[in-house]
Amino acid sequence: AQSVTQLDSQVPVFEEAPVELRCNYSSSVSVYLFWYVQYPNQGLQLLLKYLSGSTLVKGINGFEAEFNKSQTSFHLRKPSVHISDTAEYFCAVSQGDYKLSFGAGTTVTVRA
Amino acid sequence: GAGVSQTPSNKVTEKGKYVELRCDPISGHTALYWYRQSLGQGPEFLIYFQGTGAADDSGLPNDRFFAVRPEGSVSTLKIQRTERGDSAVYLCASSLGVAHHNEQFFGPGTRLTVL
Repeated sequence: AQSVTQLDSQVPVFEEAPVELRCNYSSSVSVYLFWYVQYPNQGLQLLLKYLSGSTLVKGINGFEAEFNKSQTSFHLRKPSVHISDTAEYFCAVSQGDYKLSFGAGTTVTVRA
Repeated sequence: GAGVSQTPSNKVTEKGKYVELRCDPISGHTALYWYRQSLGQGPEFLIYFQGTGAADDSGLPNDRFFAVRPEGSVSTLKIQRTERGDSAVYLCASSLGVAHHNEQFFGPGTRLTVL
């Protein structure tokens, strides 16, 4: 079984500042890693995913994440945020099957 | 094209009542999933369909919960004798197939409130 920990429940950030959302997972086997974003009143949308290969993954809207196997982490970053990045972000893990295990989410609030 | 749609968007019911939540997946997607998202938590897996059959219902919390997908497209999640603890957002997702690289596309959810 795997579990996902998102270390920050809320992250306030000023517009054009960088942001990092932390995600750690526990699993004894190889995993696949995902970041989803949920805008207000919308469904979850995939930002990026790590399946294999390069540990630095680039996603939509200028986001990127780095898989660190030794630290069992998959932190999400964006160098300069916009007001429109205000949303809830979820880290998720699967062990190669269809079941996604999600973290509790991080609410990002971007202020002008 | 159209994404995953779910109806109703909001459902308020009384304890003990029966409810049905509907999911329309993306056309052509053979795999369909239900998740439940309680307040302050991430989504939790409930059940997965491949075609018409429930391939994995290990996430259903108890036998009050049941889901069907009779024609391999639309799915209905059914909850009998609702309890206040069933209050949550119920999310549906679909994907082209079940392999891990197939992206799951999520609907906007149905917010269920049990009074």
